[in-house]
Amino acid sequence: NAGVTQTPKFQVLKTGQSMTLQCAQDMNHEYMSWYRQDPGMGLRLIHYSVGAGITDQGEVPNGYNVSRSTTEDFPLRLLSAAPSQTSVYFCASSRSTGTFSYEQYFGPGTRLTVT
Amino acid sequence: GIQVEQSPPDLILQEGANSTLRCNFSDSVNNLQWFHQNPWGQLINLFYIPSGTKQNGRLSATTVATERYSLLYISSSQTTDSGVYFCAVFNSGSRLTFGEGTQLTVNP
Repeated sequence: NAGVTQTPKFQVLKTGQSMTLQCAQDMNHEYMSWYRQDPGMGLRLIHYSVGAGITDQGEVPNGYNVSRSTTEDFPLRLLSAAPSQTSVYFCASSRSTGTFSYEQYFGPGTRLTVT
Repeated sequence: GIQVEQSPPDLILQEGANSTLRCNFSDSVNNLQWFHQNPWGQLINLFYIPSGTKQNGRLSATTVATERYSLLYISSSQTTDSGVYFCAVFNSGSRLTFGEGTQLTVNP
């Protein structure tokens, strides 16, 4: 198993550009999510999905879009990049352990800089 | 939403020392995980521990769900233990909420 993979590892964007961060998992997990981590802080939830075709907003969804057409893939789209979106982005895939209960596994992260 | 507080925020140890990290949470939770973020930024699962005690080598964790806290014990610390330790909880909202972490530095 490759686990959770993310591409690219690093990206530099100019303000106003758009791009898609890719995330894939091969563990057949239903639950996937995206987080951002700013310097010296914990992780904050952007969007999550409890299965193909189902997505919902997290704590900081503005400026980001997601879709889930397959179980394996959960891309994150930046619509019009802003310097405030400079951060490290982590994708996670989660094994269900009961009702509203998951064990999460994280990808290696994408370091994004917006100039 | 649920609040997750970790203490201490920073901890400096000499190699070989033991330490205890604490995580308090403000509401009942469905599960709790401890993660280690190494100096390269990788997030590594340490424990999935909604209740009870687990051990893995020099690390162990205890969660007392009724009293809303969890403890992570590191014994005989090594320089490779350095990094940030995060506690994260799932409650009924289907969201994992992270604490702000404990920055651990182990000096040789």
